[in-house]
Amino acid sequence: GENVEQHPSTLSVQEGDSAVIKCTYSDSASNYFPWYKQELGKGPQLIIDIRSNVGEKKDQRIAVTLNKTAKHFSLHITETQPEDSAVYFCAASGANAGKSTFGDGTTLTVKP
Amino acid sequence: NAGVTQTPKFQVLKTGQSMTLQCAQDMNHNSMYWYRQDPGMGLRLIYYSASEGTTDKGEVPNGYNVSRLNKREFSLRLESAAPSQTSVYFCASSLDRGSEQYFGPGTRLTVT
Repeated sequence: GENVEQHPSTLSVQEGDSAVIKCTYSDSASNYFPWYKQELGKGPQLIIDIRSNVGEKKDQRIAVTLNKTAKHFSLHITETQPEDSAVYFCAASGANAGKSTFGDGTTLTVKP
Repeated sequence: NAGVTQTPKFQVLKTGQSMTLQCAQDMNHNSMYWYRQDPGMGLRLIYYSASEGTTDKGEVPNGYNVSRLNKREFSLRLESAAPSQTSVYFCASSLDRGSEQYFGPGTRLTVT
């Protein structure tokens, strides 16, 4: 089955700096790669996603890049703010897989 | 539009007791999922239902059963609770397999 590894497990940055979280996956058939943000005491919420026919996608301060050859994808957050502090999860799935496999999460702390 | 709702929010059980966690979605989604989240281990899939009338095992199904009651509702049953099942349980739904998942607020279960 699919295996997703996520790094780093914790990340601390100063407000205004950039943050990068990386994930690798094992199943070359995977074609959907979402990123979720989980705030304390809440369920995860999608912040951005990318499909395998696209190499990069951007939404304001958040961007995701995908390298299908190397089987890795990354989340980039620019101009970080304290409200970006949360746990971030990557995931990978295929159209026929019926399910997503999640990474173990990255706890991002943005220090004011 | 409530999204994904879960009941109860909190539950304490004694070892050997049984209970059912309820989940409902009002987005007309086809697929539904049950995850457990333990500290430092991310989200692990227990069971999923790719469409009404079907259910499949995920990564950690032992000790659990599920019922896709109709398109809206997907319940998770613990027949004989064990301390190892102490966790936060999240239900999620998606329009189709391999698309964005919407998560409920979670059920915090403690088994003593």
